[in-house]
Amino acid sequence: GENVEQHPSTLSVQEGDSAVIKCTYSDSASNYFPWYKQELGKRPQLIIDIRSNVGEKKDQRIAVTLNKTAKHFSLHITETQPEDSAVYFCAASKGSSASKIIFGSGTRLSIRP
Amino acid sequence: NAGVMQNPRHLVRRRGQEARLRCSPMKGHSHVYWYRQLPEEGLKFMVYLQKENIIDESGMPKERFSAEFPKEGPSILRIQQVVRGDSAAYFCASSRREGRTDTQYFGPGTRLTVL
Repeated sequence: GENVEQHPSTLSVQEGDSAVIKCTYSDSASNYFPWYKQELGKRPQLIIDIRSNVGEKKDQRIAVTLNKTAKHFSLHITETQPEDSAVYFCAASKGSSASKIIFGSGTRLSIRP
Repeated sequence: NAGVMQNPRHLVRRRGQEARLRCSPMKGHSHVYWYRQLPEEGLKFMVYLQKENIIDESGMPKERFSAEFPKEGPSILRIQQVVRGDSAAYFCASSRREGRTDTQYFGPGTRLTVL
């Protein structure tokens, strides 16, 4: 069945350094890949998404890359700041059809001052 | 422009009671999704509904759980005869789903505690 795997489960980086979170998906029909950030006790919030017709998308300090052949996609956060500390979820969806979003298991990112 | 609304935010039930969770989608959104999040875990899809229709309920437990999205009013996730294992945060999300617009926006969640 559909599956999204996410690594690492925890990540600690020094403030100012970059953080990379990687995901793989199993369903080759997936064509929409959102990333959500969830702070403790809060709702998941969409931070960036990418569709399968592009290989990379950037929004200020956040970028996502997609390799459809390998069924990999990654989140890159540069110049990390304390407020980046949260749990990040990758997800995959088939997009245009009636579709659910399958989430990865999450990465707890901690930024060390 | 109000976002996705959920109520109650916190719900305490004793084993065997019923829990009703409500979700009002964002204005202009006609698609609702329910997810369950256990402590320290990810989000698990439960059900996807449009007005008066269940589109995909592949993530719903076979017994005690049901969902609806009536023509008028919020979507409701109903859990009958709750057990301790039902304790979790339940999030709903809504989307517009025009063309290729799939972005789902989440509500604040309902935290269910079963005593």
